[in-house]
Amino acid sequence: KNEVEQSPQNLTAQEGEFITINCSYSVGISALHWLQQHPGGGIVSLFMLSSGKKKHGRLIATINIQEKHSSLHITASHPRDSAVYICAVATSGTYKYIFGTGTRLKVLA
Amino acid sequence: DAMVIQNPRYQVTQFGKPVTLSCSQTLNHNVMYWYQQKSSQAPKLLFHYYDKDFNNEADTPDNFQSRRPNTSFCFLDIRSPGLGDAAMYLCATSSLPGQGPETQYFGPGTRLLVL
Repeated sequence: KNEVEQSPQNLTAQEGEFITINCSYSVGISALHWLQQHPGGGIVSLFMLSSGKKKHGRLIATINIQEKHSSLHITASHPRDSAVYICAVATSGTYKYIFGTGTRLKVLA
Repeated sequence: DAMVIQNPRYQVTQFGKPVTLSCSQTLNHNVMYWYQQKSSQAPKLLFHYYDKDFNNEADTPDNFQSRRPNTSFCFLDIRSPGLGDAAMYLCATSSLPGQGPETQYFGPGTRLLVL
């Protein structure tokens, strides 16, 4: 079993839909990161979370430390949101990432 | 404005012919990482530098080496590329750890093709 699990693995949505991607982890963490990777492109950091909730534009990320769970929400989805979204955790006492397997999102116009 | 730069973006090499990928950063970060990412998989950490200290992952093949001549530059050397080494290679940086959780900043990646 992976230490960081994401669901769903693949997601297709219509433009304008509200999207939720989930991440569960089984290790102690110092922070959780949500990353975005476009096809053939590098990785962009969207959020770093230690607790609570963060919002940037149409993106919202939440984390529940007790339940070891985080969600990434996209409101009013747009085709340009199509990408792979990766959850990564930095374990307590280290600065290296443990990556989830990613969620491939496709938003149709 | 580019913060983590990787050159080249695409590299074609022949089986067994040494190849070097480069990464530079303008962030003055202490930690630099090299990842290998194969299609539809998560990035796999090969090694990282914490300042000049080299840290190899236990399962990184000896075929992969790295150099960090100064804070700004880091190189990935593949001594004898095999077909299985074709992948995207990602460089990332982060600031000095120990001051709390840190974000890693990724470069655009170099896609390596081995013929």
